[in-house]
Amino acid sequence: EAGVAQSPRYKIIEKRQSVAFWCNPISGHATLYWYQQILGQGPKLLIQFQNNGVVDDSQLPKDRFSAERLKGVDSTLKIQPAKLEDSAVYLCASSLQGGRTSPEQFFGPGTRLTVL
Amino acid sequence: AQSVTQLGSHVSVSEGALVLLRCNYSSSVPPYLFWYVQYPNQGLQLLLKYTTGATLVKGINGFEAEFKKSETSFHLTKPSAHMSDAAEYFCAVTHGYSSASKIIFGSGTRLSIRP
Repeated sequence: EAGVAQSPRYKIIEKRQSVAFWCNPISGHATLYWYQQILGQGPKLLIQFQNNGVVDDSQLPKDRFSAERLKGVDSTLKIQPAKLEDSAVYLCASSLQGGRTSPEQFFGPGTRLTVL
Repeated sequence: AQSVTQLGSHVSVSEGALVLLRCNYSSSVPPYLFWYVQYPNQGLQLLLKYTTGATLVKGINGFEAEFKKSETSFHLTKPSAHMSDAAEYFCAVTHGYSSASKIIFGSGTRLSIRP
């Protein structure tokens, strides 16, 4: 079974530029998550999708971050404009949610963003 | 509200020694608990999970954890450390199977193994 795919793996941009990350979850996984992991910290949930609907985006800085999952499969996360404090690893995860299914999440390798 | 506290941001043990990584949680409802491992430049990989039933949970790579409700703890152990165990370990908690369930991660413990 293929895992969660993310691209790019690394990205370096200057502040005020825009950037986009892509995620392809495990086939059949209805729930998709984007996390921000700052160096030395645990992952922090940015947004959670159930199919193509948003379940939780309470910690997403909506003035600069946006995310979509138009067909309920792939997802993109965008930052515009980027700030220095956005430097982090952005992790995508997916899970089989709902009913009596385990809430276990499967993570992609992440995208390391450096904002100069 | 749920929270996770990992005691010790860095733990160093000798190869072959016991590994003990501490995790305490706070939850107003019965929790589901996880330990994830993160190797450099990689995503998180599930080591083990507690949902219901047996409180001693065995995971991959020889790790195990015991859910102690009275102590609100879920410490991770391994009898004999191996060099390949060097990584960042995260404890996490959630409370249900619903699509709205959120997993809360601790801040992580970096495990170093001395030769």
